[in-house]
Amino acid sequence: SQTIHQWPATLVQPVGSPLSLECTVEGTSNPNLYWYRQAAGRGLQLLFYSVGIGQISSEVPQNLSASRPQDRQFILSSKKLLLSDSGFYLCAWSVRDRGGQPQHFGDGTRLSIL
Amino acid sequence: AQTVTQSQPEMSVQEAETVTLSCTYDTSESDYYLFWYKQPPSRQMILVIRQEAYKQQNATENRFSVNFQKAAKSFSLKISDSQLGDAAMYFCAYRIYRDDKIIFGKGTRLHILP
Repeated sequence: SQTIHQWPATLVQPVGSPLSLECTVEGTSNPNLYWYRQAAGRGLQLLFYSVGIGQISSEVPQNLSASRPQDRQFILSSKKLLLSDSGFYLCAWSVRDRGGQPQHFGDGTRLSIL
Repeated sequence: AQTVTQSQPEMSVQEAETVTLSCTYDTSESDYYLFWYKQPPSRQMILVIRQEAYKQQNATENRFSVNFQKAAKSFSLKISDSQLGDAAMYFCAYRIYRDDKIIFGKGTRLHILP
């Protein structure tokens, strides 16, 4: 069966520090991968998605970047965090090239910027 | 542009009663899929139910069922015999067959009253 791992679960970082959140998927090949951010009590904002290694689509211009160095690995990064980067970050995957597939989510990372 | 609207930010229901969460969407596409996701206080996103637009029969998963009205572009979720564990944020979501992205509504927070 497929599983998605996301870490760390919680992270507290000072303003101006770098960020690296990692997401890996097991049990499937060539997945679509997604990064979302969720502010407290609010909906999901799609940040990035990827349909293959090295292929990144950015949905919202911001202080963050994403990379996909391996087929089942998706990384969210920042060189210098801002206070506004605080939030709950979710990674998700879906089956590629099969229309209508749902997305399956990791457990999320709660990021607090001090 | 495709949009998903959940007009009820919050709802409450007595334990063991039935509740219906509303969702409408706007699209010019004919081939698409609809989903309901549940996000409990743990903030994990859990797929509750999936509906193919080409199917007239409403999807059902145990106590969860949908009322899919394609002409009205309505996709409501009915929860029967509500349980305390059903307390969560519920997101309605939509995906075009050929698109890699899912569009989420802003969510409805459901409270279960003991």
